[in-house]
Amino acid sequence: GAGVSQSPSNKVTEKGKDVELRCDPISGHTALYWYRQSLGQGLEFLIYFQGNSAPDKSGLPSDRFSAERTGGSVSTLTIQRTQQEDSAVYLCASSTRDRYNEQFFGPGTRLTVL
Amino acid sequence: AQSVAQPEDQVNVAEGNPLTVKCTYSVSGNPYLFWYVQYPNRGLQFLLKYITGDNLVKGSYGFEAEFNKSQTSFHLKKPSALVSDSALYFCAVRDSWDAGKSTFGDGTTLTVKP
Repeated sequence: GAGVSQSPSNKVTEKGKDVELRCDPISGHTALYWYRQSLGQGLEFLIYFQGNSAPDKSGLPSDRFSAERTGGSVSTLTIQRTQQEDSAVYLCASSTRDRYNEQFFGPGTRLTVL
Repeated sequence: AQSVAQPEDQVNVAEGNPLTVKCTYSVSGNPYLFWYVQYPNRGLQFLLKYITGDNLVKGSYGFEAEFNKSQTSFHLKKPSALVSDSALYFCAVRDSWDAGKSTFGDGTTLTVKP
């Protein structure tokens, strides 16, 4: 079966533009996570979904960031009015609902804001 | 609140020697602990996890980790390091009281020299 996929793999944008990042989780995985990994840094939790609901949005850095998930499957992370500090690799992961299970990560989207 | 600390940014070992990558955690409830590895230009991969039971858990590629409740630690170990083990290693924790969210450490870069 297919793993977690993310698109685009690379995105270069100008400061102030909006961007949309997409995540396609493993089929049947009800939990979906977004993280941000800046160069040389660890993983910064952004948000997670259980089904279409986001119980924990505490990691979103500002109100310029939003995410949604529809049909319990695909998720999009939207960054409005991008800033240079938004440049990072955005990682998506999915897992089964079972809290004991590991996460499966996608390859990431590398975002560069000029 | 949950947190993870990886006190070493970098670990260097010679091939054939044992390796240890350290991780300590803090949770309110019971910890669910995970190790992930990120090879250069590749996504994060699951290595092993501790949920309950035997304190010594074995995982992929010959790695193992020991859960120590009194020291709140979950150090990653391997008896004999390979050059191909060189990668970025992340420890992660989930709290049984809020198992939806995962918190990752900042990562430890392991370099194994021939």
